[in-house]
Amino acid sequence: DAGVIQSPRHEVTEMGQEVTLRCKPISGHDYLFWYRQTMMRGLELLIYFNNNVPIDDSGMPEDRFSAKMPNASFSTLKIQPSEPRDSAVYFCASSSTRNTEAFFGQGTRLTVV
Amino acid sequence: RKEVEQDPGPFNVPEGATVAFNCTYSNSASQSFFWYRQDCRKEPKLLMSVYSSGNEDGRFTAQLNRASQYISLLIRDSKLSDSATYLCVVKGGTGRRALTFGSGTRLQVQP
Repeated sequence: DAGVIQSPRHEVTEMGQEVTLRCKPISGHDYLFWYRQTMMRGLELLIYFNNNVPIDDSGMPEDRFSAKMPNASFSTLKIQPSEPRDSAVYFCASSSTRNTEAFFGQGTRLTVV
Repeated sequence: RKEVEQDPGPFNVPEGATVAFNCTYSNSASQSFFWYRQDCRKEPKLLMSVYSSGNEDGRFTAQLNRASQYISLLIRDSKLSDSATYLCVVKGGTGRRALTFGSGTRLQVQP
C-alpha cells in the first residue's frame, strides 16, 4: 500500500491567491482527517470525514477554508483567499473503523508571501 | 487551557540514559491514548498505544493514570536514533474519532 498521498509537497503562493491541497487516503480507510501544524500552535485538527461526510469542522479557522471529499479516495482542502498567517504544514491522515491508528501523509508545506 | 499538555523540552540526554516524558489531558471522557513520534520535517507516526495497565515495547514503557489524567513514556538505554519529538495523543469521548495532539516534547540524544 502506498500510504496516504498528499500533493503538492511544497506550495509557495502570494497573499490573496487560492490554494488547493489534495489528499488520497489509504484504500479501505473510512476516516479522513486534515491537520495543520505550526511552531506556535502545534498540530491542530481542522476537519474530519467519515465515509466522505464531514463530521466535525469546528477546527476550520474561518470561511476562507473549505474541505470536500467527493469520493472515498480523494479529498481537498481549499484556502481562498490565502493569507500569510496560513503558512504551515498541512497534514492529511486516514484511519479505519477497526483501528484507531491514524496514518499521516508526508504533508504539504504552504508558504504564503 | 490546552486539551493535552506536554513539557516542550528539549531534553538533551547522553546515549544510554533513561528519560521520561509526561503528559496531562483535560477531557475525562477520553477513551484512547497514544504516543506518536515525529522526526524533523516528517509526518507523525504511531510509536505505541497506552493501556490502563501499562505496557512495554522493548525499551519503551507507557503508563496511564486515569484518576490523575496523566500519561507517561519512559525510554531506557537511549539511542541516537531516538532523537525526535514525542507527541502525546488522546482520542476523545464516545463518538469522537479524531485524535488530539499535545505540542510535543523534543528529545536530543547525544553521543
